[in-house]
Amino acid sequence: AQTVTQSQPEMSVQEAETVTLSCTYDTSENNYYLFWYKQPPSRQMILVIRQEAYKQQNATENRFSVNFQKAAKSFSLKISDSQLGDTAMYFCAFMGYNTDKLIFGTGTRLQVFP
Amino acid sequence: EPEVTQTPSHQVTQMGQEVILRCVPISNHLYFYWYRQILGQKVEFLVSFYNNEISEKSEIFDDQFSVERPDGSNFTLKIRSTKLEDSAMYFCASSDDRDREESASTDTQYFGPGTRLTVL
Repeated sequence: AQTVTQSQPEMSVQEAETVTLSCTYDTSENNYYLFWYKQPPSRQMILVIRQEAYKQQNATENRFSVNFQKAAKSFSLKISDSQLGDTAMYFCAFMGYNTDKLIFGTGTRLQVFP
Repeated sequence: EPEVTQTPSHQVTQMGQEVILRCVPISNHLYFYWYRQILGQKVEFLVSFYNNEISEKSEIFDDQFSVERPDGSNFTLKIRSTKLEDSAMYFCASSDDRDREESASTDTQYFGPGTRLTVL
């Protein structure tokens, strides 16, 4: 069975600095999808970034980028130039190729300080 | 920007009672999902729904649970006889149509704000 592990329950970073959130996963599949979702306090989860496993190039979305290491089954999220609005719970998620089921990690609570 | 909405935001019920959690997915979406998160635990998949039938469900989604799209806009999750362990945050999500045969990509699931269910 696939699993997703986020080993950092909480992280903090100063505004304008860079922070990296870790995620590892376990699967025997070769094709799959990986996601980072953000859940601000009392708000819904929104997609931050996604990565198709067949793409070797790491995905980037403005200040957000991933380091996808397929062999190591690692999918970390880097937030550059952190902003106060980045304060949220961040969930890493896995989806197999032939399913619509998202498998989530336990989340990392990120606090951005002024 | 269109959003998934859920009602109520908080539902309190007695053990053994039936509850219906309501969701309004994004209007042109055709795939619908329910997830739940027990306090302090991971978000867990319950069920996916497409073309008026369940396309996938987890072991959690037993006979106590059912889903329905009663009209063109709502998507509901019914728990027939609630147990204490059903207390959780329930999230609805929806995604756009996609053709698996032609596209190697999958569509983003858009989540609602959740309904907190408390079973006493």
